[in-house]
Amino acid sequence: DIQMTQSPSTLSASMGDRITITCRASQTISSWLAWYQQKPGKAPNLLIYKASTLQGGVPSRFSGSGSGTEFTLTITSLQPDDFATYHCQQYDSYPWTFGQGTKVEI
Amino acid sequence: VQLVESGGGLVQPGGSLRLSCTASGFSFSNYNMIWVRQAPGKGLELFSYISSSSRTIYYADSVKGRFTISRNNAQNSLSLQMNSLRDDDTAIYYCARAPGVYPYFDYWGQGTLVTVSS
Repeated sequence: DIQMTQSPSTLSASMGDRITITCRASQTISSWLAWYQQKPGKAPNLLIYKASTLQGGVPSRFSGSGSGTEFTLTITSLQPDDFATYHCQQYDSYPWTFGQGTKVEI
Repeated sequence: VQLVESGGGLVQPGGSLRLSCTASGFSFSNYNMIWVRQAPGKGLELFSYISSSSRTIYYADSVKGRFTISRNNAQNSLSLQMNSLRDDDTAIYYCARAPGVYPYFDYWGQGTLVTVSS
């Protein structure tokens, strides 16, 4: 199975900050990576797929990059609505796996 | 697009439960579907997948032989039969839709809580 490791596990930030979350795969997954945002008590929400393609309706302050084994999710100018947990997911090969999540807190 | 799970609840270890996911707002029969669960305070685990035609089904090792995924395209519904439940099956269970051939997921249900405890 491909292991997905996110760092950091928790990130403390302030409104207006630019933050970056890293997701590393235990083997190459090309660009077959998605990012989700999850708020407490809610289902995950798709932000980005194919490593860098923004899902419709997602604000442009979100961006994704990377290929192979290392990927990043960047949020420019953090907004109150962005304080949440972020998950990466590889879909290169089954079993498709998620990272452990990164909580972005104030 | 809406996905609504139901059927969660409290069950004793070794017991059974059947979850349902009712879809609306899209042509359900054209989409591959999954079940994902999240144990309290933990990450997401994708443990079962079913293709649009039911031809392809996957299970994670953690549920293989105990859980059965199925769908009824005529009734726009996805089901999960869970048998031989264990304490570590306690989680929120989500159904979700893959928008195309690639297994990432654009719409999710609100989740249903399954608690396995004596």
